[in-house]
Amino acid sequence: GDSVTQTEGPVTVSESESLIINCTYSATSIAYPNLFWYVRYPGEGLQLLLKVITAGQKGSSRGFEATYNKETTSFHLQKASVQESDSAVYYCALGDSSNYQLIWGSGTKLIIKP
Amino acid sequence: NSKVIQTPRYLVKGQGQKAKMRCIPEKGHPVVFWYQQNKNNEFKFLINFQNQEVLQQIDMTEKRFSAECPSNSPCSLEIQSSEAGDSALYLCASSRTDSGNTLYFGEGSRLIVV
Repeated sequence: GDSVTQTEGPVTVSESESLIINCTYSATSIAYPNLFWYVRYPGEGLQLLLKVITAGQKGSSRGFEATYNKETTSFHLQKASVQESDSAVYYCALGDSSNYQLIWGSGTKLIIKP
Repeated sequence: NSKVIQTPRYLVKGQGQKAKMRCIPEKGHPVVFWYQQNKNNEFKFLINFQNQEVLQQIDMTEKRFSAECPSNSPCSLEIQSSEAGDSALYLCASSRTDSGNTLYFGEGSRLIVV
């Protein structure tokens, strides 16, 4: 079936260090998967961080980037130097472009140590 | 700040009571979703609408849950007879028809069934 697996949290990283949150997907019934990272900051609603709809492309936003890798079925989220304000819960999601459905990972809580 | 407005932010209901949540989608977004997010951060899709018409819904939604998106009024999700297992964060999201699976979320309504 279709599924998303991401790094189990919480993940703790010191400020200015690099970050990677792994996301792998299975899209057996989706012909043209779209891939997303959403983020929920403390006290705020879930919001889109970045999305990529074409395999091989990279998306980036707020210093984060993720590459849609069809060969490894991965969409890992990376940032070279995290800030305290990056503390949040990050969700990887898989979309089916033929309908509006999203399949969600279980979320990764990121804690940044000052 | 979210442009999708959900009310109330919190509601506490006894088992067997009705629980009703409302959502005003972002202006110009004809597609509206309801998700249930449990304490393990897992998302469960409940129902979605395009304008006033139901696009998809799961079995649970057909039985104890009811939802509507009337024209010129907020969308709503109602649980007819709340159960302890319904305690969760209920998320409303909206989307344009041409944005693929990009969803814009409200901050959610947290239901506690005691």
